[in-house]
Amino acid sequence: DTGVSQDPRHKITKRGQNVTFRCDPISEHNRLYWYRQTLGQGPEFLTYFQNEAQLEKSRLLSDRFSAERPKGSFSTLEIQRTEQGDSAMYLCASSLRGAGVTNEQFFGPGTRLTVL
Amino acid sequence: DQQVKQNSPSLSVQEGRISILNCDYTNSMFDYFLWYKKYPAEGPTFLISISSIKDKNEDGRFTVFLNKSAKHLSLHIVPSQPGDSAVYFCAASMNYGGSQGNLIFGKGTKLSVKP
Repeated sequence: DTGVSQDPRHKITKRGQNVTFRCDPISEHNRLYWYRQTLGQGPEFLTYFQNEAQLEKSRLLSDRFSAERPKGSFSTLEIQRTEQGDSAMYLCASSLRGAGVTNEQFFGPGTRLTVL
Repeated sequence: DQQVKQNSPSLSVQEGRISILNCDYTNSMFDYFLWYKKYPAEGPTFLISISSIKDKNEDGRFTVFLNKSAKHLSLHIVPSQPGDSAVYFCAASMNYGGSQGNLIFGKGTKLSVKP
């Protein structure tokens, strides 16, 4: 396994369109996180899954955003009716959660979204 | 209110010298701290971490120091190399007690190591 992968790497869309991003975590990792990073900021938490269950959503995740992890493996993040303020780098990370296991999260390369 | 602060947006050091990157936090419930390095157009790469039960962790040229009473941690890179030039992010989490373990990041410090 070569790490966390994300697809696409870049997405340019027009305001009002829907977009979907995919994340494939490290195969044995049971936790998957989505973050968003804008210019000059650190990554900001959006949501996370333990296996297929979505356990937490940030207040940053408006109702236009939805995330799924249907079989506890890959995850998708969909943004409906995109706005220019959605332009950012969307990062996916995965980690192995369990007794005695610490919380190093391993990030993918990100999907850069530009909304025109 | 930012819970993790990196007050220096940038740092420039000479190759071979020590780089010291600083990070402050406000939430005393944080019990696990991490440093990530990020190159342009790439995701953050995990560098080193420390649990709140320790005050120092070392991995090769990288050492992280934690001062819980001051709510301060620092990353030391010795000796610095030009390839270390990147943005460094400090992150904190609550690792136990049923928390979700999501990371709270600082804004980053851009390190430039000059040959």
